[in-house]
Amino acid sequence: NAGVMQNPRHLVRRRGQEARLRCSPMKGHSHVYWYRQLPEEGLKFMVYLQKENIIDESGMPKERFSAEFPKEGPSILRIQQVVRGDSAAYFCASSPRDRVDQPQHFGDGTRLSIL
Amino acid sequence: KNEVEQSPQNLTAQEGEFITINCSYSVGISALHWLQQHPGGGIVSLFMLSSGKKKHGRLIATINIQEKHSSLHITASHPRDSAVYICAVRRGTSGSRLTFGEGTQLTVNP
Repeated sequence: NAGVMQNPRHLVRRRGQEARLRCSPMKGHSHVYWYRQLPEEGLKFMVYLQKENIIDESGMPKERFSAEFPKEGPSILRIQQVVRGDSAAYFCASSPRDRVDQPQHFGDGTRLSIL
Repeated sequence: KNEVEQSPQNLTAQEGEFITINCSYSVGISALHWLQQHPGGGIVSLFMLSSGKKKHGRLIATINIQEKHSSLHITASHPRDSAVYICAVRRGTSGSRLTFGEGTQLTVNP
């Protein structure tokens, strides 16, 4: 069984460009979570989505960042007009349902570097 | 003050030693996770627990809900155990977000 797939593994962008990070959850999982790990810092929650719905985006910066999880296809985290401070590792996790006894399965992350 | 605190931040051990990593939290939780992150790699979920103790191979995780404290133990440590170990909590019974500790960098020397 394939795990959570994130691509690309590494992404380099220049300041002002757009970055698109993709996450395909495990088969049968309809809940997706995005986390960010800034250099030398711990992981921080960004957004929680179910198919076609944003459930909790309280960790997302108000500007330039957006996320979606369409009915078909992967979840996308989009960062517009990237700045140096966006350089980080972005992790996606998925679970089959929103229950306390359901663990979240993590992908290998996308390392975003802004030149 | 962070809601989830881990200690120590860095830990160096010799192969074969018994290792303990601690996690304290200040909020009500419904579950606690222990995660492992290798350099440049992804994150692997080791344990999810809400009470008592769990064991998997050489790894043991315990939690004391009243004291808001959890420990991760590694018996007969090996250099391949070298990684960052992260404690994360799921708050309350509503909402699915995880809140993470800063991680403990473990290095096991041969």
